[in-house]
Amino acid sequence: SQQGEEDPQALSIQEGENATMNCSYKTSINNLQWYRQNSGRGLVHLILIRSNEREKHSGRLRVTLDTSKKSSSLLITASRAADTASYFCASYSGAGSYQLTFGKGTKLSVIP
Amino acid sequence: DAGVTQSPTHLIKTRGQQVTLRCSPKSGHDTVSWYQQALGQGPQFIFQYYEEEERQRGNFPDRFSGHQFPNYSSELNVNALLLGDSALYLCASSLKLNTEAFFGQGTRLTVV
Repeated sequence: SQQGEEDPQALSIQEGENATMNCSYKTSINNLQWYRQNSGRGLVHLILIRSNEREKHSGRLRVTLDTSKKSSSLLITASRAADTASYFCASYSGAGSYQLTFGKGTKLSVIP
Repeated sequence: DAGVTQSPTHLIKTRGQQVTLRCSPKSGHDTVSWYQQALGQGPQFIFQYYEEEERQRGNFPDRFSGHQFPNYSSELNVNALLLGDSALYLCASSLKLNTEAFFGQGTRLTVV
């Protein structure tokens, strides 16, 4: 079963524009993580936001978390062609779970 | 500092055969998880190993088994391969519960 669901499924933007991806989850979480995946290869860890945090920044990335709505968003500012990838949110499935559960991802295409 | 390394990168097997995939965790990490990612989907949790024991298992049949060695490296074994086992197999390592999980580049398994 999917814990996180990303929205939109696909996003195409021009280089220099901002890209926003959303994620909804089902159960309570301790933290939520965002990953990037290029061309079906390994996942690259981007950022972890804890349940008591509302916003977190890392370079051109900004992540927000709204635990009342069970949702998170990832904003990539000033996008580059190299940002073209699939982006996934993931969280541990409930208290005491060791299982990291992913959504289906958002496929981002940045057009030069 | 080496990250998570997996071998081999690609593998082609015949239906009914057995396969072993290998993973070395990130330096300092003691927990290894395995995930299966079908095309166009998010990764699905197979199981997690900690202190050489399977700590949690996802919804996968007993044909999927694993092992963790004293140096924390791990193997994933799949018996009686089916065409549907064709996927990207990802290994992730972490240090503590509810912390960042770091992924390897994956092994692309094709069953023909």
